Amino acid sequence: GAVVSQHPSWVICKSGTSVKIECRSLDFQATTMFWYRQFPKQSLMLMATSNEGSKATYEQGVEKDKFLINHASLTLSTLTVTSAHPEDSSFYICSAQRQGAGGANVLTFGAGSRLTVL
Amino acid sequence: GENVEQHPSTLSVQEGDSAVIKCTYSDSASNYFPWYKQELGKRPQLIIDIRSNVGEKKDQRIAVTLNKTAKHFSLHITETQPEDSAVYFCAAPQPFSGGYNKLIFGAGTRLAVHP
Repeated sequence: GAVVSQHPSWVICKSGTSVKIECRSLDFQATTMFWYRQFPKQSLMLMATSNEGSKATYEQGVEKDKFLINHASLTLSTLTVTSAHPEDSSFYICSAQRQGAGGANVLTFGAGSRLTVL
Repeated sequence: GENVEQHPSTLSVQEGDSAVIKCTYSDSASNYFPWYKQELGKRPQLIIDIRSNVGEKKDQRIAVTLNKTAKHFSLHITETQPEDSAVYFCAAPQPFSGGYNKLIFGAGTRLAVHP
């Protein structure tokens, strides 16, 4: 159980185009999902919190107009990188929150999406 | 907000030895501390977690200890094997509106287990 599917797993695009990444919780409902960015050999940097039916909450320094997040259902959140540039090239990972044993909120991660902007 | 520091950044051990990774956190209200393992090019996988009402938790060769007074927690891997080689991340939650906690991750420890 607790599977999170993320697509696409990798994408190459031209500078100036937009790219959409999908994150789905397959066997549980997730009112809250998180989007992380990971540079090579670095940690996971939280970009934003995606809340079902409401606006996403962005971390300091993350441009909300650059990284559009939509969480229209209890099982799907999308991240759109708008007008992508080479510096946006990175590994983007989503995670979905569910209630684990003892009431703790457990994160399950998607497989990640490697974006390369030419 | 929460600040999580993780040490060491790299750790090299011989197969069969033990490995210890330590993390400190800043928010005394934090109550849940997971550890994730990330193999190269793959997603982070939860390997063990601990809540603040216990001091230690063990799962086969992996254990986590928590010292709430000192605000630090550690991952212990005994009888290491080459397949334990990966990057390990600790995390601590930062409360936010809505009743859910978002995880703040440490910088990661790259563990290499040599045969």
